[in-house]
Amino acid sequence: SSDLTQPPSVSVSPGQTASITCSGDKLGDKYACWYQQRPGQSPVVVIFQDDNRPSGIPERFSGSRSGNTATLTISGTQAMDEADYHCQAWDTNSASVVFGGGTKLTVL
Amino acid sequence: QVQLVQSGAEMKKPGASVRVSCKASGYTFTPYSMHWVRQAPGQRLEWLGWINGGNGNTKYSQKFQGRVTITRDTPASTVYMELNSLRSEDTAVYYCAREGLGGYSYTHDYWGQGTLVTVSS
Repeated sequence: SSDLTQPPSVSVSPGQTASITCSGDKLGDKYACWYQQRPGQSPVVVIFQDDNRPSGIPERFSGSRSGNTATLTISGTQAMDEADYHCQAWDTNSASVVFGGGTKLTVL
Repeated sequence: QVQLVQSGAEMKKPGASVRVSCKASGYTFTPYSMHWVRQAPGQRLEWLGWINGGNGNTKYSQKFQGRVTITRDTPASTVYMELNSLRSEDTAVYYCAREGLGGYSYTHDYWGQGTLVTVSS
């Protein structure tokens, strides 16, 4: 399967660093991006092409990729960062999109 | 500002078809590609397919091949997604999502507000 695997949930204390991983057997061939989705809202891109942050997204959001694993890191996590986070990759061979299962970030 | 405004909620019976529209504004409609993504309750985001902004070609997920059709009306800056032979498992929120250009290629940089499609007898 070309689906991407994420942990279902991650918990973090305010001010601490949260890391969410995304792994897939072919992730190494594809760019990864990350979306934040608050309850009842549409997804918003927070990281694109592995490690780029769109304008307007706080600097505490960063991304990286190593081999078949991409990681979203939120430094100095705030209560407002509590949301679901989805990774996404583009399969250039089949010109199709795959998503991870989503990770619920809880800020305790 | 870029906006993607989708049509309203739909309730359909099993076996029926549904068509959801997505009207774009705030940018030049072509050459941006548009994708359709759905999210069933408690499930992951699921990609249905896309329409190429330049040539209008389409590509569909293998899972939905033969059941989904994506079209566009360029003068109206509107993209449509039609899903046929609906079943209860198709109950979900359906999103249109614009694919960016250049550095934003392979990224959905703007999303519609979502359209709830409920399939029930």
